[in-house]
Amino acid sequence: DQQVKQNSPSLSVQEGRISILNCDYTNSMFDYFLWYKKYPAEGPTFLISISSIKDKNEDGRFTVFLNKSAKHLSLHIVPSQPGDSAVYFCGNTGNQFYFGTGTSLTVIP
Amino acid sequence: DGGITQSPKYLFRKEGQNVTLSCEQNLNHDAMYWYRQDPGQGLRLIYYSQIVNDFQKGDIAEGYSVSREKKESFPLTVTSAQKNPTAFYLCASSIQLNYGYTFGSGTRLTVV
Repeated sequence: DQQVKQNSPSLSVQEGRISILNCDYTNSMFDYFLWYKKYPAEGPTFLISISSIKDKNEDGRFTVFLNKSAKHLSLHIVPSQPGDSAVYFCGNTGNQFYFGTGTSLTVIP
Repeated sequence: DGGITQSPKYLFRKEGQNVTLSCEQNLNHDAMYWYRQDPGQGLRLIYYSQIVNDFQKGDIAEGYSVSREKKESFPLTVTSAQKNPTAFYLCASSIQLNYGYTFGSGTRLTVV
């Protein structure tokens, strides 16, 4: 049973526009979330995290929003750049480690 | 339900001992991976396998060994040559290389 779900396997966005990647989770005890980015033939790289005591965390062009009541988090990339084209994973870490199946983002120049 | 299983969740070993971490998947995925995570760092690739009886080194393969005798199984051995083995180890599989990942829930290894 998927504890963390990314329901959109792919997303295409025009360069300069906003990319919004979504993630849902099932366990209300989850308290720390991560987003990873992965290029082909490379390991995932850490992007941004958020603790459940916050509802927003920003790092440059990347912002993660957490809606605990809806058990939903989203990653916003503004403005999107072609180098952002990659697979993005959301996940929960704590005593266990659950990841979604990834969303492949393509930013079109 | 299909999935990927790592066992055990927590593992303690004495320094100098080899230890093998299990990873099994019933998703019929061709590719499997091992990653390591240390506090404050992202995932780092140890080994990956695209197909049975074949595997490739990742970024930090030294001190580790793997085998892929069956499609479903990709065990990781942490050898005594690994200088700093205490870490969180994550196994993953994918439909094909770098597409459609499923992650296991991890094994936390502590070497004392």
